[in-house]
Amino acid sequence: GAGVSQTPSNKVTEKGKYVELRCDPISGHTALYWYRQSLGQGPEFLIYFQGTGAADDSGLPNDRFFAVRPEGSVSTLKIQRTERGDSAVYLCASSFLAGYNEQFFGPGTRLTVL
Amino acid sequence: QKEVEQNSGPLSVPEGAIASLNCTYSDRGSQSFFWYRQYSGKSPELIMSIYSNGDKEDGRFTAQLNKASQYVSLLIRDSQPSDSATYLCAVTQAGNMLTFGGGTRLMVKP
Repeated sequence: GAGVSQTPSNKVTEKGKYVELRCDPISGHTALYWYRQSLGQGPEFLIYFQGTGAADDSGLPNDRFFAVRPEGSVSTLKIQRTERGDSAVYLCASSFLAGYNEQFFGPGTRLTVL
Repeated sequence: QKEVEQNSGPLSVPEGAIASLNCTYSDRGSQSFFWYRQYSGKSPELIMSIYSNGDKEDGRFTAQLNKASQYVSLLIRDSQPSDSATYLCAVTQAGNMLTFGGGTRLMVKP
């Protein structure tokens, strides 16, 4: 079956612009997670959804970051007024259920803010 | 102090040898433990999960968990050049988000 998909694979934007990153989880997976990975570091948690609601958004760095999952499947991570420090690979993962289930990652979106 | 610690490496082993990767974690409430493999420029790929003390084997991989010592390890037997990658240790507390270590870079030399 299809894995987690993310679009775009690469996004280059200018400082101050708005960007949207999309994640399509594995079919049937109810939990969806966003992480951010900087070069040479492990992924860092941003937010996770169980169904349509954000169950934990404690990892979002500030209020410029927002994510939605309106129908409980596809999710969009939105970044307003991008800054150079936002440059990273944004990873999406899904699991069958939140809890102890294994998480499977998509290919990521590499965001570069000039 | 980071919550999940790994030696960044690189760990260099000859082809056919056993590679031993180690991870310590600080939260005693951690309940689920995972090893991910990440090739350069790619996303993490789940290779092992372990939930209870002891060993868990899957092919050439063995995960070991010692909750009393707050220690997780991954052994790779008969290491191959294709095993060269960064190995990420990850833990969950409430069973939700993963907390990752910084990863250990493994190099298997032919």
